[in-house]
Amino acid sequence: GAVVSQHPSWVICKSGTSVKIECRSLDFQATTMFWYRQFPKQSLMLMATSNEGSKATYEQGVEKDKFLINHASLTLSTLTVTSAHPEDSSFYICSARGGVGRGGGGTYEQYFGPGTRLTVT
Amino acid sequence: AQKITQTQPGMFVQEKEAVTLDCTYDTSDPSYGLFWYKQPSSGEMIFLIYQGSYDQQNATEGRYSLNFQKARKSANLVISASQLGDSAMYFCAMRVLTGGGNKLTFGTGTQLKVEL
Repeated sequence: GAVVSQHPSWVICKSGTSVKIECRSLDFQATTMFWYRQFPKQSLMLMATSNEGSKATYEQGVEKDKFLINHASLTLSTLTVTSAHPEDSSFYICSARGGVGRGGGGTYEQYFGPGTRLTVT
Repeated sequence: AQKITQTQPGMFVQEKEAVTLDCTYDTSDPSYGLFWYKQPSSGEMIFLIYQGSYDQQNATEGRYSLNFQKARKSANLVISASQLGDSAMYFCAMRVLTGGGNKLTFGTGTQLKVEL
């Protein structure tokens, strides 16, 4: 199956600093990548959808100036949490979807990365 | 708007027994897909099974089967012959295929614990 990686797997940062999380599709071209946030014992909440080469589409209530998303290539999307605060501490998961003919399961599946646990102190 | 409801926050099952995890959904779109994911304590989301709204037969993948009742808008996951390694959080999700932007909407999850 298609493989998606995330880096780092966990990060601790101080309040006020920025953190960048990378999401890579390793063996297929991801036309679309999704970023989710998950608080402990809760469901995944979609933050934004990014298509390669265009601006991300943010879900209602998600601050686009705080959560900067870049999808500069078909295999890489980045999420930067700017001026992080303790309330931004969460588990961030990306997923990637390829188009038909680009691997990634065609139209059905999103392939998830292993997640990044962010702790802001 | 799409909505997924999982009413069981936690379930216990004995090893080797079968267990059903409930999922109901709501959408006005006739074209949609239903997914089940497993999330162990490590956090990764593992795809288990998929059911399309036009599929005539219930999906099966090894020990997983999806009991799809379209009229009742339910898509319950059945795990047969439970194993200790099945202990995890299970999420039901839906994707609307027309105009939905390929977004997955997740339920709140069911924590399954398999006991000896």
